[in-house]
Amino acid sequence: GIQVEQSPPDLILQEGANSTLRCNFSDSVNNLQWFHQNPWGQLINLFYIPSGTKQNGRLSATTVATERYSLLYISSSQTTDSGVYFCAVERQTGGFKTIFGAGTRLFVKA
Amino acid sequence: EPEVTQTPSHQVTQMGQEVILRCVPISNHLYFYWYRQILGQKVEFLVSFYNNEISEKSEIFDDQFSVERPDGSNFTLKIRSTKLEDSAMYFCASTRGLAGETQYFGPGTRLLVL
Repeated sequence: GIQVEQSPPDLILQEGANSTLRCNFSDSVNNLQWFHQNPWGQLINLFYIPSGTKQNGRLSATTVATERYSLLYISSSQTTDSGVYFCAVERQTGGFKTIFGAGTRLFVKA
Repeated sequence: EPEVTQTPSHQVTQMGQEVILRCVPISNHLYFYWYRQILGQKVEFLVSFYNNEISEKSEIFDDQFSVERPDGSNFTLKIRSTKLEDSAMYFCASTRGLAGETQYFGPGTRLLVL
């Protein structure tokens, strides 16, 4: 089946720093989403981005579908950005099946 | 803003007991999912559901699991005979349509099997 790899697995930032999270996937996909799982376990949609670039405030994401990767940029990080960032791809094999990466655990220090 | 809701937020059960986890997807959504997340691990796909039938399921979704949309609003996951390893957070998600649109997740049900 399709493999989704995220890097780095762990990241510690000083508040105000920028970072780039990467998601590689092994086959073509119909959909790609980035999620933030906060310390309370909630999964928050960040981006639906099967291709192209999107921006939302301090966050932006780029997916290059032909090269099978996506990047999530966090600028001017804040302590509230802490948590786990998941990339999830969806592939149609009959029905739709979603595969999550293992996540990047981010801790932003004050 | 419409949201996916799940009940209960927490459930503790004895091994071998049946549990039913409930979800109310966003009202105009048509495609529904269940996922689980064992503590500290990644989110794992269980099943997708469309037009009152299973669309896709993972190898985790064996005969002890079943899903149902008993009425126009609820979407349930039943675990027939729980095992210790079923302890996890279970998430429900929904999308508007078929073609891989944004999935909106509920807050999850934390299941503990003793």
